Amino acid sequence: DGGITQSPKYLFRKEGQNVTLSCEQNLNHDAMYWYRQDPGQGLRLIYYSQIVNDFQKGDIAEGYSVSREKKESFPLTVTSAQKNPTAFYLCASSPDSSYGYTFGSGTRLTVV
Amino acid sequence: AQRVTQPEKLLSVFKGAPVELKCNYSYSGSPELFWYVQYSRQRLQLLLRHISRESIKGFTADLNKGETSFHLKKPFAQEEDSAMYYCAPYPVQGGSEKLVFGKGTKLTVNP
Repeated sequence: DGGITQSPKYLFRKEGQNVTLSCEQNLNHDAMYWYRQDPGQGLRLIYYSQIVNDFQKGDIAEGYSVSREKKESFPLTVTSAQKNPTAFYLCASSPDSSYGYTFGSGTRLTVV
Repeated sequence: AQRVTQPEKLLSVFKGAPVELKCNYSYSGSPELFWYVQYSRQRLQLLLRHISRESIKGFTADLNKGETSFHLKKPFAQEEDSAMYYCAPYPVQGGSEKLVFGKGTKLTVNP
């Protein structure tokens, strides 16, 4: 069953800690994306990757980091430098943007 | 800068009434256009893609190049249509590698 999986579904972090969100796809898609979803703000792009071992900053990359060592995996690290990390994070993948994206079910991160 | 605007944050209609969710974009040329929907507690999913000209769950969307709009329409809204809707143009000729999403419209269909 092909798809894109995000884990965990809920994540709690103490201030000052880094945390990594997982995103895995078995759709053989080249491109992967990380978005942050906040009420009233829509989806804002954090990072994206068009190919393995390459990635680009999106509109709100500060305080985040990513890696793309394998085609199927695109983990996002929320660092302690991110000033307002509590949000809903969405991962997506695509064979090509002109085909649209397939989204994961999201991870809700709460900083306590 | 490429922009997409969904002017209504909230839209409320009664069951059986027509519904139109507005989307305007600021791209030149002919973008590919998408509408995505997010039902409560479900993942964001593709609702409609302009190039395919499909009608999904009774929704249609017409590209108006003169007005640079891609409004989503349904003649008779159902309660199960209540969800967040996002418009996302893709500038095919612009060399961009990514979709740009609007801020979304929350549709509520009242019984």
